[in-house]
Amino acid sequence: SQQGEEDPQALSIQEGENATMNCSYKTSINNLQWYRQNSGRGLVHLILIRSNEREKHSGRLRVTLDTSKKSSSLLITASRAADTASYFCATVAGAGGTSYGKLTFGQGTILTVHP
Amino acid sequence: NAGVMQNPRHLVRRRGQEARLRCSPMKGHSHVYWYRQLPEEGLKFMVYLQKENIIDESGMPKERFSAEFPKEGPSILRIQQVVRGDSAAYFCASSPRGTGGPPSPRNQPQHFGDGTRLSIL
Repeated sequence: SQQGEEDPQALSIQEGENATMNCSYKTSINNLQWYRQNSGRGLVHLILIRSNEREKHSGRLRVTLDTSKKSSSLLITASRAADTASYFCATVAGAGGTSYGKLTFGQGTILTVHP
Repeated sequence: NAGVMQNPRHLVRRRGQEARLRCSPMKGHSHVYWYRQLPEEGLKFMVYLQKENIIDESGMPKERFSAEFPKEGPSILRIQQVVRGDSAAYFCASSPRGTGGPPSPRNQPQHFGDGTRLSIL
């Protein structure tokens, strides 16, 4: 079953606006990660948040994690046209499993930032 | 420091042929993962390998698919007797060894190659 479900599926905004993407998951996690994928390219790691963390920042990115609701959000502030890409959340299963770090991805959010 | 290298970038095969996809992890990385991305979908885990060992192949079809990561050379994902449904983008990712305890890279980000786009005629 799909672990991560992302919302919205597509998001279109103007440069300078903030973009918020949400992710929900079903089972316990060790950590949750966000990746970006530009068309025709591989995924680029953005940020990793551990299950005992609630918020993390990296430049214009802010990630929150609510383990009680099994959800996470990615906020991109002051967006730029270069932020146009697909964004995926991915979870690593919690302790006791045999995940070995394998990622379970959501379907992704397609973000378009208009100049 | 070169990133994860995958080749070929594009591969076209006819039904029934074999497809061989190669992945060289980042220098110093001993963990390799293969994922498959079907059109308009997220990535699905296929297999996780360390040098000379398959650790987890729970996401890989039981037939026609195999993977290896030899002591020397790149990791190889092999698909025998390809069918139309095998058309997808195949991504390889690598990560360093994690810290603390058994060699589990759970808390390490994964570094992805640009993928191999496989098309089956």
